[in-house]
Amino acid sequence: GAVVSQHPSWVICKSGTSVKIECRSLDFQATTMFWYRQFPKQSLMLMATSNEGSKATYEQGVEKDKFLINHASLTLSTLTVTSAHPEDSSFYICSAGGGAGTGKTQYFGPGTRLLVL
Amino acid sequence: DAKTTQPPSMDCAEGRAANLPCNHSTISGNEYVYWYRQIHSQGPQYIIHGLKNNETNEMASLIITEDRKSSTLILPHATLRDTAVYYCIVRVGSGGSYIPTFGRGTSLIVHP
Repeated sequence: GAVVSQHPSWVICKSGTSVKIECRSLDFQATTMFWYRQFPKQSLMLMATSNEGSKATYEQGVEKDKFLINHASLTLSTLTVTSAHPEDSSFYICSAGGGAGTGKTQYFGPGTRLLVL
Repeated sequence: DAKTTQPPSMDCAEGRAANLPCNHSTISGNEYVYWYRQIHSQGPQYIIHGLKNNETNEMASLIITEDRKSSTLILPHATLRDTAVYYCIVRVGSGGSYIPTFGRGTSLIVHP
């Protein structure tokens, strides 16, 4: 199947700093990617839809100024957590799909674990 | 999107078949049934999807009832590595534009 990668796989940062997470579709192009957040023992919650060449669409309750999304190319979307605080500590996962050869499904990245001290 | 109902947890002996049920009684005619699983601390993994007919691939089989109000994911010979949370999702299948929305899923534990 199609491959989606994320970098870094884990990151520890101090409170108040910004962290950038990259999501790449390795063998297909994705005009749309999705960002999820998952807290311990909970399900994935959709944060935003990242659209190549245009602004992201955020879910209700997600601060667009805190979670900056850039989708500069058909294979790369980035999520920047600005001025991170301990409550932002979570598992962040991206997904992409629908490109040629991927069929009617989404493929997920391996996730990025963020710990804010 | 149609909502789904899954048991919160199940267990299965290694080597036996694991049958995971999902109810989606409000599914509409153009909605597909998708199954994903998430092994601890990893991103979700696509397993299989179907519309009306039963489907089989190298990972699993999907049985959809004739009225499409429920389905069953079958792992024919479960292994310890199949221990994961399994999510059943229904959504209009339209390539990359559909957004998987996850419920709580079923936590499957495969024991020796």
